[in-house]
Amino acid sequence: AQSVTQLDSHVSVSEGTPVLLRCNYSSSYSPSLFWYVQHPNKGLQLLLKYTSAATLVKGINGFEAEFKKSETSFHLTKPSAHMSDAAEYFCVVSDPRRGYSTLTFGKGTMLLVSP
Amino acid sequence: DAGVTQSPTHLIKTRGQQVTLRCSPKSGHDTVSWYQQALGQGPQFIFQYYEEEERQRGNFPDRFSGHQFPNYSSELNVNALLLGDSALYLCASTFTGTSQPQHFGDGTRLSIL
Repeated sequence: AQSVTQLDSHVSVSEGTPVLLRCNYSSSYSPSLFWYVQHPNKGLQLLLKYTSAATLVKGINGFEAEFKKSETSFHLTKPSAHMSDAAEYFCVVSDPRRGYSTLTFGKGTMLLVSP
Repeated sequence: DAGVTQSPTHLIKTRGQQVTLRCSPKSGHDTVSWYQQALGQGPQFIFQYYEEEERQRGNFPDRFSGHQFPNYSSELNVNALLLGDSALYLCASTFTGTSQPQHFGDGTRLSIL
């Protein structure tokens, strides 16, 4: 079985300050990991993915995440927050043995960005 | 290049009714997955269709059924609607056999009265 725990339901930052969204996973195999973002009343947009290549993964809009197997973590970071980053972020794990079909989502972290 | 499109965007039904939601995958994709996202929760996997057959299924009752057409588009049907079925229903597509991640549509917001 696989699962994802997003450690914070809400994170508040000021514009221009760093962003850290925390995610821990549980998996009995080497998983594929993703971060998706969801803006209000919109679908999910892929930010980045980890598929057993480089452990530091760069995504769109300046986001990156580091896969740490020893800590079973896949935290999402951004050096400087922008107002447009305010959205809900989901950490996702999948079983690469079955392709990307079985996606297991965390409960999400709402990122609030203040001016 | 059109992405994943879903229709309708919003729908209101009453308990006991039946509903059909539609999804057209991204061009070039052959696999469609459906997810239910309740308010304040992450999406949960309902099922996946490939080659017009249900390939995988999550923990959802038989009231939830689907179909995939030869052009790869898909429908999600829910019978005997319950208040708890109120949610955002998301469709995602990908191309089986590649490392492409799933692309999501904007969803259908279903409200049950």
